[in-house]
Amino acid sequence: QTVVTQEPSFSVSPGGTVTLTCGLSSGSVSTSYYPTWCQQTPGQAPRTLIYSTNTRSSGVPDRFSGSILGNKAALTITGAQADDESDYYCVLYLGSGIWVFGGGTKLTVL
Amino acid sequence: QLQLQESGPGLVKASETLSLICTVSGGSISSSSYYWGWIRQPPGKGLEWIGSIYYSGSTYYNPSLKSRVTISADTPKNQFSLKVSSVTAADMAVYYCARLAAPSGLHWGQGTLVAVSS
Repeated sequence: QTVVTQEPSFSVSPGGTVTLTCGLSSGSVSTSYYPTWCQQTPGQAPRTLIYSTNTRSSGVPDRFSGSILGNKAALTITGAQADDESDYYCVLYLGSGIWVFGGGTKLTVL
Repeated sequence: QLQLQESGPGLVKASETLSLICTVSGGSISSSSYYWGWIRQPPGKGLEWIGSIYYSGSTYYNPSLKSRVTISADTPKNQFSLKVSSVTAADMAVYYCARLAAPSGLHWGQGTLVAVSS
């Protein structure tokens, strides 16, 4: 069973920079997994921020960026704002029609 | 503008079958290269991919749910559906339908809460 790992929680100061990561229980995350990052605020449906490693969805501010850092996918928020306080989920495509979600990272901005 | 809307009973009795429909507008479920899938989120917990149906009709399921889940498509109505059999309290969740594509990510519906009564 493939497990996608994310930090359970993270904290960042307003205006600060934070990098959330997405790893695999066994092996490395590469662009071949087409990492996608979704943001979810309480009571709302998730929305896709970043897909295919580093492509921003329409309307997503450029303070959000995606990359591969070492053996993990990464979501970096540069100049964090109060309304970035959300849960962030990584999704990987394993191939053969199979997707898997990470456990999510709860980001606090304070 | 692609839109997905879930519909179905908000309450299901334990041991019975949960049935939901996702109606797609602004796009066709027959469009090549897209998967149409279901994702759920139990209260206070994370997201879980349940399964997907490819535009060709092939289906793919989370191994942990495979024995109880069926996803099917109604192309003329531009809808796809989810059935989960033998539900328990652990199946209580917000259920989301979504369009999934590896190169272009996920496009989400608004979600619908399904509770399970004993």
